[in-house]
Order: sequence, then structure tokens, then C-alpha cells
Amino acid sequence: SQELEQSPQSLIVQEGKNLTINCTSSKTLYGLYWYKQKYGEGLIFLMMLQKGGEEKSHEKITAKLDEKKQQSSLHITASQPSHAGIYLCGSSFQGAQKLVFGQGTRLTINP
Amino acid sequence: DADVTQTPRNRITKTGKRIMLECSQTKGHDRMYWYRQDPGLGLRLIYYSFDVKDINKGEISDGYSVSRQAQAKFSLSLESAIPNQTALYFCATGTTGRWGGEQFFGPGTRLTVL
Repeated sequence: SQELEQSPQSLIVQEGKNLTINCTSSKTLYGLYWYKQKYGEGLIFLMMLQKGGEEKSHEKITAKLDEKKQQSSLHITASQPSHAGIYLCGSSFQGAQKLVFGQGTRLTINP
Repeated sequence: DADVTQTPRNRITKTGKRIMLECSQTKGHDRMYWYRQDPGLGLRLIYYSFDVKDINKGEISDGYSVSRQAQAKFSLSLESAIPNQTALYFCATGTTGRWGGEQFFGPGTRLTVL
């Protein structure tokens, strides 16, 4: 089983709508990274969260880290076609010194 | 110029062939990683290196080997390719950090093994 589970695995939304992607860990999170991947391309770093309760925003994307729930959420407000792609969460668990990734969430934005 | 480059970008090969994927970086990072991506499985770590003399197996290293020729170069080899190694392969570099740090990815190499 995955150490990081993302939900949903696939999401189709109408342009302009809000959406949320979740990343749940089976272990205590010490750092959580969000990446975006355009189809067939490399990953682009979005945000890093390190502290419980931390929330960061970049343009219309907001990410939160809830350590008690061992969960992070990524929220997109007023989605645009440019938001389409695969979103991956990654975390380095204590002592691991390397990232483990969730399976990804494929986001499609319909005009 | 891209900070992390991978060559080739696409490769089609036959079962049993030896394949080398190369990665170069200009970011000056000590840490480098090789991942493979398969649909529905996310990214899985193959090998990682914290410096030229430090190479470690990841979760799926069987069938692969690596070479860290210099701080800036990290190559991945498939000694005898098999069809289930068909995947998208990514190289990444990383900053040092208490919990792993941010990673910077190359554009990927799409490998098909027939």
C-alpha cells in the first residue's frame, strides 16, 4: 500500500469552479511537498509545508498541512485551463532523507 | 538553459538490450535521484546519491544500476531491458535539508521496451 494516498485519483471540473485535492499519510508527516506535472513532462515544484497548521498560497493555489490528521490539502480557486495536469504530493519521512510520492491526481479543466 | 537535463528524451529498444539514460545538472546540488513513473503508481525511487561516493538503492532498484561520474552527472543503466521497464524516467537534484529538501526534476525520458 502507498505511504501517501491522494484523493481523488482523477478530477474533472468546469472552468471557474473551485476544487480540492487531498494527500493522506500513513506515517507522521515532517514535511510535505506539492508538485505539478503537465502531461508527459517534468515536475514543477509548487509549495513546501513543514509545520502543523501551516498554510501557503501561490496565485490561486492554497495548500494546508494538518499534522494531527497526517493530511495535506491543495485547493484551487476559480480554476483555469492552465491548472490542468497531474498533482503529486511528496514527503520525506523521519530519517528517510528522500521523498516518497503519492500516486498523483489527474486534473482536467473543461471550458 | 535547463538546470536538469536528461538524454535521450525518448527511446525505443528491444528486450535484452543494454540502455543508459543520462542526467546532467547545473544547479550545483550534491543530491541526485532517479525515479520511474507508471500510470496510477506515481513516482517510485530507483536510486539516489548524496555525493559522488554515496549511492543508495531506492524502493525498486532491481534490474537497474547507476553511476555518479561527477557531482553534475548521474546515469541510470538497464543492463538487460525487459518490457515491464517501459516507463517515464525522471532524474532530479535536491537541496540538503533536514527532511530531504526540495527536488528539481528533469523533463523525463520516455523509454519503451519491446
